[in-house]
Amino acid sequence: DSGVTQTPKHLITATGQRVTLRCSPRSGDLSVYWYQQSLDQGLQFLIQYYNGEERAKGNILERFSAQQFPDLHSELNLSSLELGDSALYFCASSEGDSNYGYTFGSGTRLTVV
Amino acid sequence: ILNVEQSPQSLHVQEGDSTNFTCSFPSSNFYALHWYRWETAKSPEALFVMTLNGDEKKKGRISATLNTKEGYSYLYIKGSQPEDSATYLCAFESNTGKLIFGQGTTLQVKP
Repeated sequence: DSGVTQTPKHLITATGQRVTLRCSPRSGDLSVYWYQQSLDQGLQFLIQYYNGEERAKGNILERFSAQQFPDLHSELNLSSLELGDSALYFCASSEGDSNYGYTFGSGTRLTVV
Repeated sequence: ILNVEQSPQSLHVQEGDSTNFTCSFPSSNFYALHWYRWETAKSPEALFVMTLNGDEKKKGRISATLNTKEGYSYLYIKGSQPEDSATYLCAFESNTGKLIFGQGTTLQVKP
């Protein structure tokens, strides 16, 4: 157990629907990062939050949004889902600076049918 | 566009062989270079984070070097073991906080 908790582990939903993925960072970590891994693709950076505020943004679609709450957990909202959104979504956390690297959760596998 | 390239894409070696992989990254806006090990059905695990040009880090049989001026890092595994089989990811951390991953090098060590 890495200390980063992601729920749910698996999610199957229909096109056009909206889902919320949840991440609880490792205790003491202030930064949360979201990554998407599609079939045959590497880890694609979506967005980073630090202590509740958005810090960096990657290639996150406008249909996707995220936030980090006062208790530091984060949610990634995916709406108007398309088949191509099917992927493994990872959350990672770090203390703030990344001297020890990021700690990854076990991921949420989203399947859009 | 930040591009992180890793080579080779995959590698098959015999137990006991030593091997190395390359990661190339932008030489501008550099903050840190990360290496991760990713085993099948698990999450990526951090191996090293290097920030200074010339940095060398070691963990057991695995070591890494960093050249920020020319934009490359090497990961070395000495005396590969079957349990070293995994995908090794490098990631470039920019000074704006983005961590961009390469596609990884998949290592298969045959007993």
